[in-house]
Amino acid sequence: SQELEQSPQSLIVQEGKNLTINCTSSKTLYGLYWYKQKYGEGLIFLMMLQKGGEEKSHEKITAKLDEKKQQSSLHITASQPSHAGIYLCGAAAFQGAQKLVFGQGTRLTINP
Amino acid sequence: DAGVTQSPTHLIKTRGQQVTLRCSPISGHKSVSWYQQVLGQGPQFIFQYYEKEERGRGNFPDRFSARQFPNYSSELNVNALLLGDSALYLCASSYTPGTGELFFGEGSRLTVL
Repeated sequence: SQELEQSPQSLIVQEGKNLTINCTSSKTLYGLYWYKQKYGEGLIFLMMLQKGGEEKSHEKITAKLDEKKQQSSLHITASQPSHAGIYLCGAAAFQGAQKLVFGQGTRLTINP
Repeated sequence: DAGVTQSPTHLIKTRGQQVTLRCSPISGHKSVSWYQQVLGQGPQFIFQYYEKEERGRGNFPDRFSARQFPNYSSELNVNALLLGDSALYLCASSYTPGTGELFFGEGSRLTVL
């Protein structure tokens, strides 16, 4: 079965700094979803990537799916307190599926 | 437009009881999925429904069941509750089951005592 590993598990950065979160899959990624979650709350959709080499941006957040389609990265530029939370990557179990397998999450703390 | 809505938001049950959780998808979305998220872990897939039919099932016991109604809303039922069923139950909707963006609700937090 597919497994996703996120790194780092937790991250503390100074406000204004850039940061990157990685998501590595044990199998080929057919669809990679990035979500943000505030503690104990629902998941906020950030981006979905499907094609190898694809890159998407929204405000100060950029996500990439590598060419070999087994790793994705989420990059935040000039971090703000509003970026704090848990970032989760989820991957489709197989092509055309929306049964998602999730990583364990990366807890991001932004220090003022 | 309203997002995915779930009810109740919080509930407390005792072992052996039964619970029903409800989900209304985004208007126009026909696929609903259910996930269980235990504290400190990523969500785990339970069920997916599309056009009232089960499209996928995760590795959960038969105590877990779900259904989808003609208006595409859905219910998740859990019987004979165990302490380990305490979790945040998340509902997600999409227009079709295999493509496109998947949007989650705020979840129903279940505590089993």
